[in-house]
Amino acid sequence: GAGVSQSPSNKVTEKGKDVELRCDPISGHTALYWYRQSLGQGLEFLIYFQGNSAPDKSGLPSDRFSAERTGGSVSTLTIQRTQQEDSAVYLCASRFQATTEAFFGQGTRLTVV
Amino acid sequence: KNEVEQSPQNLTAQEGEFITINCSYSVGISALHWLQQHPGGGIVSLFMLSSGKKKHGRLIATINIQEKHSSLHITASHPRDSAVYICAVLGNQFYFGTGTSLTVIP
Repeated sequence: GAGVSQSPSNKVTEKGKDVELRCDPISGHTALYWYRQSLGQGLEFLIYFQGNSAPDKSGLPSDRFSAERTGGSVSTLTIQRTQQEDSAVYLCASRFQATTEAFFGQGTRLTVV
Repeated sequence: KNEVEQSPQNLTAQEGEFITINCSYSVGISALHWLQQHPGGGIVSLFMLSSGKKKHGRLIATINIQEKHSSLHITASHPRDSAVYICAVLGNQFYFGTGTSLTVIP
């Protein structure tokens, strides 16, 4: 596609359920980032994938959060046993390894009720 | 200490006014983004800058690499410009400002 695509754009889930958020980066982009923005808060780093290297998971807030990137392309962020504090906009961005161009998806708004 | 500082945090303007939002950063960067988020909406990238100036319609973004400073200008502001504007810089990872909430009154 022409840009970074995230799905779904909006997700409402019940507390305790698992959710999967998807990010389709621009083809050929080797770096992929996940961030989230909670209500009234700034953007918070979650995880960073770079090529075949081990991902930087230092921003994941708990072991309920995990992410994978299959084939160096599509990434899925999984939140298990969702809690109300997980409600946020989850943002994905990707870029080429060797250049400065970075592109953002439009985000997934997650609401846990 | 925040790597990225934005000002003002909140801004109210009358329709038609010229608006400036400022961003200062302390880390070495390879690029800077201005993002826009409408109430209840997703985040949209308005500009990516590594030097100089870019213009899209009524929006202008500038960056001064030596001074580690960027500005976003909106000319002839309109109520539909009401949104949160976020400065994001790309160093080792992305660092984000806390955003500027803009309200344009008709």
